[in-house]
Amino acid sequence: EPEVTQTPSHQVTQMGQEVILRCVPISNHLYFYWYRQILGQKVEFLVSFYNNEISEKSEIFDDQFSVERPDGSNFTLKIRSTKLEDSAMYFCASSRPQNNEQFFGPGTRLTVL
Amino acid sequence: GQNIDQPTEMTATEGAIVQINCTYQTSGFNGLFWYQQHAGEAPTFLSYNVLDGLEEKGRFSSFLSRSKGYSYLLLKELQMKDSASYLCAKRGAGGYNKLIFGAGTRLAVHP
Repeated sequence: EPEVTQTPSHQVTQMGQEVILRCVPISNHLYFYWYRQILGQKVEFLVSFYNNEISEKSEIFDDQFSVERPDGSNFTLKIRSTKLEDSAMYFCASSRPQNNEQFFGPGTRLTVL
Repeated sequence: GQNIDQPTEMTATEGAIVQINCTYQTSGFNGLFWYQQHAGEAPTFLSYNVLDGLEEKGRFSSFLSRSKGYSYLLLKELQMKDSASYLCAKRGAGGYNKLIFGAGTRLAVHP
């Protein structure tokens, strides 16, 4: 069964450094998302992406964040200058048509020191 | 706001039935999802309701009342592996499917 994959599984970085989290969505899906979950808290929407552009973003997704689909398979989330409060699990998700379930990847645990 | 409310914790006995309730703000509604999340893992899809009524899927069923802004997830014949968090998520209308999640209900199944 096809699945969403994410790399790395765990990323440790120093405050102020840039990180890129990578995702490979399910191949015939057209809608892509990033969510985050701070430890012990709820899953929060960051951004949705369709047709090579951002379709919606949350207040969390400020100028420090960007997304890109550099080729036909990868979908990346970049945080330019990480802060301590960016420490969280970051989940990528994808869906096929607009109104279908979202399939989540296993997540990248980001730790900012 | 986009408040989605569900109980924080529940406990149940193996083999029993448990109902996890969720209430949400009715404005801007385009579907209600339930996900299961084991500790340290990704949410996995359980069910989806967009019309009123009950959707049954094996041991899991989900109910929706749009006028009341209310849903529940029913788990039957509980097994130890059902110990997990259950996340209620509302999909907003008119957008590109962002899901607004509740804080989750942590279910502990005891022998």
